[in-house]
Amino acid sequence: EAQVTQNPRYLITVTGKKLTVTCSQNMNHEYMSWYRQDPGLGLRQIYYSMNVEVTDKGDVPEGYKVSRKEKRNFPLILESPSPNQTSLYFCASSLTGVNTEAFFGQGTRLTVV
Amino acid sequence: AQSVTQLDSHVSVSEGTPVLLRCNYSSSYSPSLFWYVQHPNKGLQLLLKYTSAATLVKGINGFEAEFKKSETSFHLTKPSAHMSDAAEYFCVVTPYSSASKIIFGSGTRLSIRP
Repeated sequence: EAQVTQNPRYLITVTGKKLTVTCSQNMNHEYMSWYRQDPGLGLRQIYYSMNVEVTDKGDVPEGYKVSRKEKRNFPLILESPSPNQTSLYFCASSLTGVNTEAFFGQGTRLTVV
Repeated sequence: AQSVTQLDSHVSVSEGTPVLLRCNYSSSYSPSLFWYVQHPNKGLQLLLKYTSAATLVKGINGFEAEFKKSETSFHLTKPSAHMSDAAEYFCVVTPYSSASKIIFGSGTRLSIRP
């Protein structure tokens, strides 16, 4: 089954404790991206990747890192989480990014206390 | 610059009546436009997409949208609402020439009254 898998689904952590949210897709998609969803703000793009070893900042990259060492995986790293990073996070992939449907993971609800 | 505006944060309709969710976009290039639906505690699912072919686009679950370049609009409609349509809906624009900017509207929450 074609899917985007995020882990964990729920995470509560403390300020400053490094964490990684994993994202994996099994559709051989080139384009992957991360979003955060906050009430009233819709989804905002954090980082995206056009292909392996190619990543770039989205609209709200501060406080986040990503890597794309393999085509299927695109982890989101919070080196020193802060309470303002409490949000619902979605990973998405699409064949090329342009004009193609994005497939979304189920989301990761992160709480930083 | 590209942007997308969903004109209503919340729409409430009675079951069996028409649904209209409004979306206006701004794009320097020929855009691709999408509507996604998000049910509670779920990821986003594609409803339909416009990529410069027919201006009237049909999607899943009886939804359709019409691309109107003169009005820079891409409103989502359904002739008869069903209780299962209650969800959050997002209008999305990607400019044709750039894969980097996938821009989401702020969302419209659709409620269905019995």
